[in-house]
Amino acid sequence: QPVLTQSSSASASLGSSVKLTCTLSSGHSIYIIAWHQQRPGKAPRYLMKLETTGSYNKGSGVPDRFSGSSSGADRYLTISHLQSEDEAYYYCETWDSNIRVFGGGTKLTVL
Amino acid sequence: QVQLVQSGAEVKKPGASVKVSCKASGYTFTNYYVHWVRQAPGHGLEWMGEINPSDGYTSYAQKLQGRVTMARDTSTSTVYMVLSSLRSEDTAVYYCARSYYGSGSPIDFWGQGTLVTVSS
Repeated sequence: QPVLTQSSSASASLGSSVKLTCTLSSGHSIYIIAWHQQRPGKAPRYLMKLETTGSYNKGSGVPDRFSGSSSGADRYLTISHLQSEDEAYYYCETWDSNIRVFGGGTKLTVL
Repeated sequence: QVQLVQSGAEVKKPGASVKVSCKASGYTFTNYYVHWVRQAPGHGLEWMGEINPSDGYTSYAQKLQGRVTMARDTSTSTVYMVLSSLRSEDTAVYYCARSYYGSGSPIDFWGQGTLVTVSS
């Protein structure tokens, strides 16, 4: 089954941009993933589905500041014009043959 | 609007079972799988399994095989998750979530979560 690897933490300044990475394990580089945001004390929220091609489809109400891209086994989430409300954990998700897998999550700190 | 409304917090003793419900509304219940995902304090998301509300077919994470059971009631658009032989490591927030029935579909909506505490 696929494994998703994420950096444990990231930080960026208010108003700047940040690019978070989710890496698919060997042999799974063509898998589709999804990104989810989890603010402190809240349930996760679906952000987008991200294809191998870099094409992405965002969930309802997700701001334009959020975008996705892909390169090989890496899947990226870019957040532009960072706001304080973007401080959260970000998880990637993938699936295969009736199983779901989550990455370990990246804690984003907005400075 | 889409809603997944879960039952309230539970406190259970080790060895007991817990049943958590998830009531769906705002969409066609049988068109979406329902997943259960848990999150232990200070930890990430762990997928527990899924159920197809259309036919009741289930798939469970290997780690929880034999201890977890998922079922659905189509008359009330409700999915249930039962976890048995509870241990302290099962203390977590349990989320239900949905994904469209079809290949290549991510989880696109989450319930509010249910805290289950296992303590003697």
